[in-house]
Amino acid sequence: GQNIDQPTEMTATEGAIVQINCTYQTSGFNGLFWYQQHAGEAPTFLSYNVLDGLEEKGRFSSFLSRSKGYSYLLLKELQMKDSASYLCAVLLGYKLSFGAGTTVTVRA
Amino acid sequence: GAVVSQHPSRVICKSGTSVKIECRSLDFQATTMFWYRQFPKQSLMLMATSNEGSKATYEQGVEKDKFLINHASLTLSTLTVTSAHPEDSSFYICSALPVGTGTEAFFGQGTRLTVV
Repeated sequence: GQNIDQPTEMTATEGAIVQINCTYQTSGFNGLFWYQQHAGEAPTFLSYNVLDGLEEKGRFSSFLSRSKGYSYLLLKELQMKDSASYLCAVLLGYKLSFGAGTTVTVRA
Repeated sequence: GAVVSQHPSRVICKSGTSVKIECRSLDFQATTMFWYRQFPKQSLMLMATSNEGSKATYEQGVEKDKFLINHASLTLSTLTVTSAHPEDSSFYICSALPVGTGTEAFFGQGTRLTVV
């Protein structure tokens, strides 16, 4: 089976930076996605990495190292609305395999 | 951006009845759609891949006779939960892969199914 690991929970203060790590051991790799999901809602797309390196998009950045099977999502200048679950997902062919998600709680 | 509409957003049904959930791509065509199930505080688990004009491909452990999938057009896939039981209560989410792309699939809003 596919193995995609990320921390269960993280807590940070408003205005701070949080880094969510994701490691994967999968039978293939066609890219890695990060999604944000608020409770009871569908995931929303944050980023997609297929090549090694850092992709920056506003307050959110995502990094990928294919040789290490590792990615991270960096959230800067945290806001209360960033409290959500963050899902790491590996694209295998055209199917997505998801990690269990990291619940981020932002405190004032 | 690409919009996927999923209906209904919430449904409550009695045990033993069937429920149909629709997934529509509103502004693009999708030969492939995916159906996921998500239990509370767990991640999305792929149930099946729906292919327009052909039979769906089910993941291991998913009963194809219980979760009927129909993908009759390039913009619509339906999931029917047959003879629903309380343990089928879950959040069901679809996603659609636009024709000609191999990467980003777009998610519907999800359907909260409660079987009483």
